[in-house]
Amino acid sequence: SQQGEEDPQALSIQEGENATMNCSYKTSINNLQWYRQNSGRGLVHLILIRSNEREKHSGRLRVTLDTSKKSSSLLITASRAADTASYFCATDAGGATNKLIFGTGTLLAVQP
Amino acid sequence: GAVVSQHPSRVICKSGTSVKIECRSLDFQATTMFWYRQFPKQSLMLMATSNEGSKATYEQGVEKDKFLINHASLTLSTLTVTSAHPEDSSFYICSATPLAGSYNEQFFGPGTRLTVL
Repeated sequence: SQQGEEDPQALSIQEGENATMNCSYKTSINNLQWYRQNSGRGLVHLILIRSNEREKHSGRLRVTLDTSKKSSSLLITASRAADTASYFCATDAGGATNKLIFGTGTLLAVQP
Repeated sequence: GAVVSQHPSRVICKSGTSVKIECRSLDFQATTMFWYRQFPKQSLMLMATSNEGSKATYEQGVEKDKFLINHASLTLSTLTVTSAHPEDSSFYICSATPLAGSYNEQFFGPGTRLTVL
């Protein structure tokens, strides 16, 4: 399977704490994206980092990418109860189809 | 922003019936649409890539005769689950990309929950 692995599978933290999720993948990529999914809902695009970038910020989100280790991390700072959701990384190998291969996901629970 | 809708949002059917799920890009034209399946507490698995006016490209292990995909226009793709069985019960999600090129963000629909009795 080409699917990426994410860890931890589940993470429970208190409001105000930071949450870090890691993603590892297997093939060369054009870019890596992070998505959020609330239970039983569609996906929301959070951030995209290109293969030639090492770090990217968006609000309370910070994403890093290490292509030599084929890994990425998503940091959510000062978490809120509303951040409770599943988070998925997805890799885009590029090419004509722009297929995304999703990681296994991290279920984040932020306790108020 | 770009909006993708799916219809229906939820469907319950008897085993052996066929179910059609629609995916529409509401405010842009989508050259490519993707169909994913997601089992409870699992990740999204790509089923097929659909291009307007051509046959869909299915991922390995996905039965093309069971999951019929039609992308008849630049704003509509349909997935038909033929002769559905309980093991086909899942959350089906589509996405659409507005442009061809080296990178295009995929915009996801809200998903369709299929329950086969």
